[in-house]
Amino acid sequence: GAGVSQSPSNKVTEKGKDVELRCDPISGHTALYWYRQRLGQGLEFLIYFQGNSAPDKSGLPSDRFSAERTGESVSTLTIQRTQQEDSAVYLCASSLAAGTSPLHFGNGTRLTVT
Amino acid sequence: ILNVEQSPQSLHVQEGDSTNFTCSFPSSNFYALHWYRWETAKSPEALFVMTLNGDEKKKGRISATLNTKEGYSYLYIKGSQPEDSATYLCASLPAGNMLTFGGGTRLMVKP
Repeated sequence: GAGVSQSPSNKVTEKGKDVELRCDPISGHTALYWYRQRLGQGLEFLIYFQGNSAPDKSGLPSDRFSAERTGESVSTLTIQRTQQEDSAVYLCASSLAAGTSPLHFGNGTRLTVT
Repeated sequence: ILNVEQSPQSLHVQEGDSTNFTCSFPSSNFYALHWYRWETAKSPEALFVMTLNGDEKKKGRISATLNTKEGYSYLYIKGSQPEDSATYLCASLPAGNMLTFGGGTRLMVKP
């Protein structure tokens, strides 16, 4: 079956512009996560959605970052007024249930802010 | 913020060698421990999800053990092959908290 799909795969943007990243999770997966990996660093948690519960936004680095998810489907991560330090690979993952089900990752969006 | 530590950061072994590396995590409120393999130019792929103290899981030549009381997990690879070259990530999930990844162990297997 189809895996987690992310778009675009690559995005180059100028500093100060807004960007929107999209994630299509596996159908039926109630949990959805956004992570990012900056150069030379590990996976950094950004935000977590579980079903219709309020999302865990504790990892969002600033108020320029926001994310939405409609029900148990597509999620979008929006970065406003991008900065060079936002350059990273943004990974989305989904799972059947939080915790004991493995995460299925998308191929990521490589964001470069010039 | 949880502290999930992996060691070593990187490891070079010869083809055929067996190897192991460590994931340390906070033992309080433990719920689950995940292991992933992340090959270059691909997305992370799940290896194991472990929940029980003393549990041991195996997938081919790769196995993992879990000690929830002292907060560590070992990943073993028997007879390493060049295709095992990847970054191995562990992630800790305490009850009521979010899944936090360690920095990974980068394994390079020389033919």
